[in-house]
Amino acid sequence: GAGVSQTPSNKVTEKGKYVELRCDPISGHTALYWYRQSLGQGPEFLIYFQGTGAADDSGLPNDRFFAVRPEGSVSTLKIQRTERGDSAVYLCASSPTSGTTDTQYFGPGTRLTVL
Amino acid sequence: DQQVKQNSPSLSVQEGRISILNCDYTNSMFDYFLWYKKYPAEGPTFLISISSIKDKNEDGRFTVFLNKSAKHLSLHIVPSQPGDSAVYFCAAASSGGYNKLIFGAGTRLAVHP
Repeated sequence: GAGVSQTPSNKVTEKGKYVELRCDPISGHTALYWYRQSLGQGPEFLIYFQGTGAADDSGLPNDRFFAVRPEGSVSTLKIQRTERGDSAVYLCASSPTSGTTDTQYFGPGTRLTVL
Repeated sequence: DQQVKQNSPSLSVQEGRISILNCDYTNSMFDYFLWYKKYPAEGPTFLISISSIKDKNEDGRFTVFLNKSAKHLSLHIVPSQPGDSAVYFCAAASSGGYNKLIFGAGTRLAVHP
């Protein structure tokens, strides 16, 4: 079956602009996660959704970052007033439930470059 | 404050030999550990996991060992194959909530003929 998909695969924007990154999880997966991977680092947790609600957004760096999942499926990560330090690969993952032992399946990521 | 550390950024191994990738953690609340493998331009792919109630888990050529007293885990790949060349991430999670993964920085494994 289809895996997690993310669009766009690459996004180049200018400092100060607004961007939206989209994630399509595996059908039926109720849990959805966003991570950010900077160069030379491992993925860093941003936010977790269980269904439509953000159960934990403690990883969001500041209030320029916001994410939604209005129908419990597709999620959008929104970044306002982008800064050069926001440049990274943004990864989305989904799992059947939010249980600790549920495997998280990752998408290929969106590479964001802020000039 | 890195809670999960992979101190070797890279490892080179000859085909057919054993690859050993190491990972240390500091948070004693972690009770579930995973290894993910990542190829360029792809997302991480789950490889193997271990619960803190075990000290070893094996899946084919891959074995993960957990030493709770030392807060250390390792991934053994035997025999190593060129297709194993990738970046390997160690990750940890705490039960009782949800699967928020804390990743190490990764180790790049190169398996050469």
